[in-house]
Amino acid sequence: GEDVEQSLFLSVREGDSSVINCTYTDSSSTYLYWYKQEPGAGLQLLTYIFSNMDMKQDQRLTVLLNKKDKHLSLRIADTQTGDSAIYFCAETSGGYQKVTFGTGTKLQVIP
Amino acid sequence: GAVVSQHPSRVICKSGTSVKIECRSLDFQATTMFWYRQFPKQSLMLMATSNEGSKATYEQGVEKDKFLINHASLTLSTLTVTSAHPEDSSFYICSAFRQGEGYEQYFGPGTRLTVT
Repeated sequence: GEDVEQSLFLSVREGDSSVINCTYTDSSSTYLYWYKQEPGAGLQLLTYIFSNMDMKQDQRLTVLLNKKDKHLSLRIADTQTGDSAIYFCAETSGGYQKVTFGTGTKLQVIP
Repeated sequence: GAVVSQHPSRVICKSGTSVKIECRSLDFQATTMFWYRQFPKQSLMLMATSNEGSKATYEQGVEKDKFLINHASLTLSTLTVTSAHPEDSSFYICSAFRQGEGYEQYFGPGTRLTVT
């Protein structure tokens, strides 16, 4: 089955850039997502990228996709304390198919 | 952005009772909704896919007689945990697809179920 892996923890200083990495195994992945989850809350869609793209930028967020290596990353520029949360990458083959989530990366921002 | 609500946000029930959780898409129609379960400090585990007007599709290992799903309208899906036990205590999250540019899936705020 599909497998999506992330490192469990990342700690950065406020103002620095954060890079959260994700690898996936499903070669038919069409859409790849990044979600943010704050404690006790649901998931917030941050951004997504089509598999035929290699980069997408949205304000402080930059998504890079290396389809050959099945590697996805999320860069957060000028990281703020409010960015502290768990970040999940996810993928789907599209067309209302189920979304497979990664294990989640807990981002800790040190003031 | 699209809004998905869940009710209740928290529920405590006694072992053996049943609990119903509602998931509503507030500003769009959703023919497909998903129910997830999340244990503490873990990722989301898909339980079932809820399709309006038809039977839900359950993931392997999920008891369909225990977790009853009803998707009666284009804006409402319900998950009923029947004869709840303490091991059913978890965070339940629903999501709904809004077909836009990229098959955006929007999540509800989650329901914390505690079975005593």
